[in-house]
Amino acid sequence: QVQLVESGGGVVQPGTSLRLSCAASGFTFRTYAIHWVRQAPGKGLDWVAVISNDGSNKYYADSVKGRFTISRDNSKNTLFLQMSSLSAEDTAVYHCARDTSGWYSLDSWGQGTLVTVSS
Amino acid sequence: QSALTQPASVSGPPGQSITISCTGTRSDVGIYTYVSWYQHHPGKAPKLLIYEVSYRPSGVSNRFSGSKSGNTASLTISGLQAEDEADYYCSSFTSSRTLVFGGGTKLTVL
Repeated sequence: QVQLVESGGGVVQPGTSLRLSCAASGFTFRTYAIHWVRQAPGKGLDWVAVISNDGSNKYYADSVKGRFTISRDNSKNTLFLQMSSLSAEDTAVYHCARDTSGWYSLDSWGQGTLVTVSS
Repeated sequence: QSALTQPASVSGPPGQSITISCTGTRSDVGIYTYVSWYQHHPGKAPKLLIYEVSYRPSGVSNRFSGSKSGNTASLTISGLQAEDEADYYCSSFTSSRTLVFGGGTKLTVL
């Protein structure tokens, strides 16, 4: 079955960097676009970024543009999110999610990894 | 990109129907049919209920249905059940090739 497992979260200080990973299995990873979506404590879902199936196209939310970089390694079925200049506003559970159609409907989600930015 | 507008909460007794609205703009909901709805039980992964306005993925109950008129999309849940109590989110593809979510609606089954 389709499985997405995030890792790399933790407690970091403001201004620092962190890299999240998302390990995929149960489907042909290289044929799907993948998104990062986050949820801050007590808040709603907040889209972060998307990467096309071959990694050639990437789009970001304005709130993370220039600070976060999405990438993927199709040989290892893994998605990444490199986050820099982190602030308290980035504190959230970060989910990776598979794009079912290429038109941004997300049919499979991971359980998420918690990133806490605090001094 | 501003979030799509959803009511903060809705409620209804078991067996009734409820509708959740999702209002966007002419840069997202108004011009695209790429509107989705998700059910989210806290602590679990969100579940896709509806994609492309009105299509249900395999395995999703036909009690869930979607529609759109102008800048507003809607999710209707018929025959409310206790397990439907959850948070519901709409989302839309945008003209900037980004994705925007609604603020979420908490459904209470009375």
